[in-house]
Amino acid sequence: EVELLESGGKMEQSGGSLRLSCAASGFTFHSHAMSWVRQTPGQGLEWLSAIVGSGDRTYYADSVKGRFTISRDNSANTLFLQMSNLRVEDTAVYYCARWHFSDYYHDYWGQGTLVTVSS
Amino acid sequence: QSALTQPRSVSGSPGQSVTISCTGTNSDVGEYDYVSWYQHHPDKAPKLIIFDVIQRPSGVPDRFSGSKSGNTASLTISGLQAEDEAAYFCCSFAGDYSWVLGGGTKLTVL
Repeated sequence: EVELLESGGKMEQSGGSLRLSCAASGFTFHSHAMSWVRQTPGQGLEWLSAIVGSGDRTYYADSVKGRFTISRDNSANTLFLQMSNLRVEDTAVYYCARWHFSDYYHDYWGQGTLVTVSS
Repeated sequence: QSALTQPRSVSGSPGQSVTISCTGTNSDVGEYDYVSWYQHHPDKAPKLIIFDVIQRPSGVPDRFSGSKSGNTASLTISGLQAEDEAAYFCCSFAGDYSWVLGGGTKLTVL
């Protein structure tokens, strides 16, 4: 059974940094591209970033380019999102999702981890 | 403001049908047949119920169906059941390895 479990969300001050993790199990992790998506209260959902299975190609939404970095450790079946220069508007639930690479949809999602940025 | 526009809420009685719309632009929904829909119960992981506009993953009941016309995709749930009460959101590929998503629609089964 595919499982994705996010962690690392907490309250952080504006300007601070945070690293989110997503532990994957139940599938061959290195064979799948992965994404991060966030849901802000009242603003809906926003795709943030994606990384291919090997980790050598990454993609970012303009809103986080230069501040967030996606990476992965295939030996540990873990996806990461390094977030820096946090802003109040980064307050959201952050989800990792498995990208069905031969197509353009995300087939499995985690339950999310809450990040709260205070001013 | 979400990139894709969905109604905030819809409702229907058991056995009825409801349709949730998802409106984008000719750069995403209108350009690509890569619209997916997700069911999201509180405190659970979102679940894929439709991909590539009309395709259903195995295990998803055929009460769930998707369609698209121009820049608007739609999810129809027929024969509403109590367990269908959840949030539903759409997602579209937007080119250059990026995606846009909707704000989500809360479905209430009366």
